[in-house]
Amino acid sequence: DAEITQSPRHKITETGRQVTLACHQTWNHNNMFWYRQDLGHGLRLIHYSYGVQDTNKGEVSDGYSVSRSNTEDLPLTLESAASSQTSVYFCASSGRLAGGRVNEQFFGPGTRLTVL
Amino acid sequence: AQKITQTQPGMFVQEKEAVTLDCTYDTSDPSYGLFWYKQPSSGEMIFLIYQGSYDQQNATEGRYSLNFQKARKSANLVISASQLGDSAMYFCAMRTGLTGGGNKLTFGTGTQLKVEL
Repeated sequence: DAEITQSPRHKITETGRQVTLACHQTWNHNNMFWYRQDLGHGLRLIHYSYGVQDTNKGEVSDGYSVSRSNTEDLPLTLESAASSQTSVYFCASSGRLAGGRVNEQFFGPGTRLTVL
Repeated sequence: AQKITQTQPGMFVQEKEAVTLDCTYDTSDPSYGLFWYKQPSSGEMIFLIYQGSYDQQNATEGRYSLNFQKARKSANLVISASQLGDSAMYFCAMRTGLTGGGNKLTFGTGTQLKVEL
């Protein structure tokens, strides 16, 4: 079955370190997204991609970067981790609309990141 | 800018009763879609139901229905015959534009639902 996976599921790091969170989907979806979830804020979009070599900034992109070298993967990099980036990170993917079919986003299981 | 508002941080409902979770939205785009997701305590995000802005009828999926009132810009989720397993956080989200096939979502802050015996 197709799926979307994230690794690691839990990560503790120190302020100033570079951290990369992996996201891999086997749906063959063109669209991939990174969100962070914080209490009182719901999910907020960090970066997104509509295809290989395409990346776009979301609502809260400062301090984060992504790259899309193939269809399956969209790694999220924290260039220099800060305590304010302690959060739960979700990756999601979706396919193209076809004949009016709903193309909901499918979410990965999430990565809990703690920056000390 | 797109905005989703969920004004109920927490709600309680008795088992087997119906419950309505409120969601209002703001957008100037005439083409948009509204989603509801469920997040149980285990953390995963589960898609529940979708309503397109041009859909003539309110969406239904099993015990879930979406009370879509376009003029009032509201898209409330109705859960009928609540079950203990419905206890979870519920998020309303909006996608604007119909091109691209997967536009980004704007989420509300969520409503924590607790179903009691």
